[in-house]
Amino acid sequence: KAGVTQTPRYLIKTRGQQVTLSCSPISGHRSVSWYQQTPGQGLQFLFEYFSETQRNKGNFPGRFSGRQFSNSRSEMNVSTLELGDSALYLCASSSPGGSSYNEQFFGPGTRLTVL
Amino acid sequence: AQSVTQLDSHVSVSEGTPVLLRCNYSSSYSPSLFWYVQHPNKGLQLLLKYTSAATLVKGINGFEAEFKKSETSFHLTKPSAHMSDAAEYFCVVSLNNNAGNMLTFGGGTRLMVKP
Repeated sequence: KAGVTQTPRYLIKTRGQQVTLSCSPISGHRSVSWYQQTPGQGLQFLFEYFSETQRNKGNFPGRFSGRQFSNSRSEMNVSTLELGDSALYLCASSSPGGSSYNEQFFGPGTRLTVL
Repeated sequence: AQSVTQLDSHVSVSEGTPVLLRCNYSSSYSPSLFWYVQHPNKGLQLLLKYTSAATLVKGINGFEAEFKKSETSFHLTKPSAHMSDAAEYFCVVSLNNNAGNMLTFGGGTRLMVKP
């Protein structure tokens, strides 16, 4: 079974631009979560989607948004980029029930650099 | 609310000696607890998980952790360190209420293994 894939792997943007990151979960997984990893703040939960609905949301500004498609693929969007948005963005999927008992499988991440 | 504290940001051991990475958690509910490992430039990999079954949990690569409710701890141990164990380790808590996935990560412990 293929793992979680994220595209692109690396991205460079300038302040004020917007960016869209993509995540394809493991086949059959319906829950997709997004996390931001920075040296200063560590790993922080952004949001989770399950069956095309946002089920949980972390404490991030409205510039961060996401969606999930009927095939469970997910995208996250960051508008009006700020320097502090430079981070590794990780996507994770979990198996069909999507409950907290289940392991989350992480993708390799997208490294976003904002100049 | 839930939180995780990893008591050491860096741990250095010699190859062949025991490893102890300490983690304390706080959760309003009965938690699910995980340890993940992140090797440089790689995604997160699950080492082991506790979901209210046995309190001593065995994971991959010889790691194990013991859930101690009275001490709110979930320390990770390994009897004998290997050079390949050098990585960053994250203790993670998840709400155990089937309301979805929202992992809360500790700050991480960087494990260094000396020859």
